[in-house]
Amino acid sequence: EPEVTQTPSHQVTQMGQEVILRCVPISNHLYFYWYRQILGQKVEFLVSFYNNEISEKSEIFDDQFSVERPDGSNFTLKIRSTKLEDSAMYFCASRPGSSYEQYFGPGTRLTVT
Amino acid sequence: AQSVAQPEDQVNVAEGNPLTVKCTYSVSGNPYLFWYVQYPNRGLQFLLKYITGDNLVKGSYGFEAEFNKSQTSFHLKKPSALVSDSALYFCAVRDKNLGGSTLGRLYFGRGTQLTVWP
Repeated sequence: EPEVTQTPSHQVTQMGQEVILRCVPISNHLYFYWYRQILGQKVEFLVSFYNNEISEKSEIFDDQFSVERPDGSNFTLKIRSTKLEDSAMYFCASRPGSSYEQYFGPGTRLTVT
Repeated sequence: AQSVAQPEDQVNVAEGNPLTVKCTYSVSGNPYLFWYVQYPNRGLQFLLKYITGDNLVKGSYGFEAEFNKSQTSFHLKKPSALVSDSALYFCAVRDKNLGGSTLGRLYFGRGTQLTVWP
């Protein structure tokens, strides 16, 4: 069964550094999402992406964040200058055009020190 | 504003007994409702959804959920729990209002840790 994959599983970075989190969505899916979960808190929506552009973003998704689908298979989330409060589990998700449920990857745990 | 509440952080049940994991929601329009399960070191795995139609929906692994519009609830149920059902369960809602700015985004509850003991 196809799955969403994410790399790396764990990323440790220093405050102020740039990080890129990578995702490979399920191949025939059309909608792509990033969510994050700070330890002990709810899973929060960051951004949705469709037809090679952002379709919606939350208030969390400020100028420090960007997304890209560079080659038709990968979907990346970039944080330009990480802050301590960016430490969280980041989930990528995708869904086909024909149904509403989103399929999630295993997550990348980002630790900013 | 859209929101989801899972009033119980933990639910403990003996194997073979029925289980219920509670969820209530608040949306501006009609909701799409989802349940996801998370096992350790795994992503969120889709269990079931309510979009329209019958209020009782069936999903994976013998789980079902009942949509109750008057109580704005979508409780997850299983008639006979298994030890392997022990995991973290998330309820999520999506606004059906396609004309608004909430295309596709899910709002999650805090999660309920289900423990089934032998």
